[in-house]
Amino acid sequence: GAVVSQHPSWVICKSGTSVKIECRSLDFQATTMFWYRQFPKQSLMLMATSNEGSKATYEQGVEKDKFLINHASLTLSTLTVTSAHPEDSSFYICSARDRASGGWELFFGEGSRLTVL
Amino acid sequence: SQKIEQNSEALNIQEGKTATLTCNYTNYSPAYLQWYRQDPGRGPVFLLLIRENEKEKRKERLKVTFDTTLKQSLFHITASQPADSATYLCALRPFTSGTYKYIFGTGTRLKVLA
Repeated sequence: GAVVSQHPSWVICKSGTSVKIECRSLDFQATTMFWYRQFPKQSLMLMATSNEGSKATYEQGVEKDKFLINHASLTLSTLTVTSAHPEDSSFYICSARDRASGGWELFFGEGSRLTVL
Repeated sequence: SQKIEQNSEALNIQEGKTATLTCNYTNYSPAYLQWYRQDPGRGPVFLLLIRENEKEKRKERLKVTFDTTLKQSLFHITASQPADSATYLCALRPFTSGTYKYIFGTGTRLKVLA
C-alpha cells in the first residue's frame, strides 16, 4: 500500500526558533497533501491543504505566516512552524491521497510530536 | 452548525464480542464516509470507506453501515480481539468540499478485554 513518511518523529526546540517537518509520499505521487494538528484525546484538526506547485489553502483561524507550507514536488510537502511558542506544542500529522490509484482513502504519516520549551 | 460526533466515552468490551461504534453528523451531506484506526502516538490508518449510495460495506471482521436519513454510520468489529484496542475515527467528505478535504470526528477509544 501507499506509504507516507514523516520526519522528524519528535522534536524539542526553544521558544522563538523555527522547526521544519517533512512529509514524503514514498511510492506514489501526491498532488495534494494535508496537514493536521492533534491535541491529546482530541480529533485531527485540519490546518491546511498543500497543493503541489501552488500556495497552500489554510483553514480558518490558522495563521499562514506562522505555519509555512511548501509543496515543492509531487512527493514532498514541508510544514515550518516559525517563531515557535510553547502553545505550538502538539502532534502534527500529514496525509496524502494516491491520485493514480483512484481511491479516496487518505494515507497518513506517523506524525511529528513538537515540544516547545 | 456542522458537527461530527462520536462517543467520547471509552468503550470496553470482552474479547470475542462484537464492538459497535457510532458516528453521527449534522448539517453535512457527505459523499463518502471513512473509518480509520489510530494507535497512541501514531498516524491514523485507513480501514473502510462507504459511499452515500451504499448501505453496508464489509472487510474481514469489519462492517460499516451508512444511513443518510439518520445521518449516522455504525462501525462493527466482530469477534473482537485485544489487538483491536485503539481509537477509531470516522471522517466524512462533504459534497460541497470540492476538494479531497475530510472532516474527522473526535474518535472513540475501544478497549478489548482478554
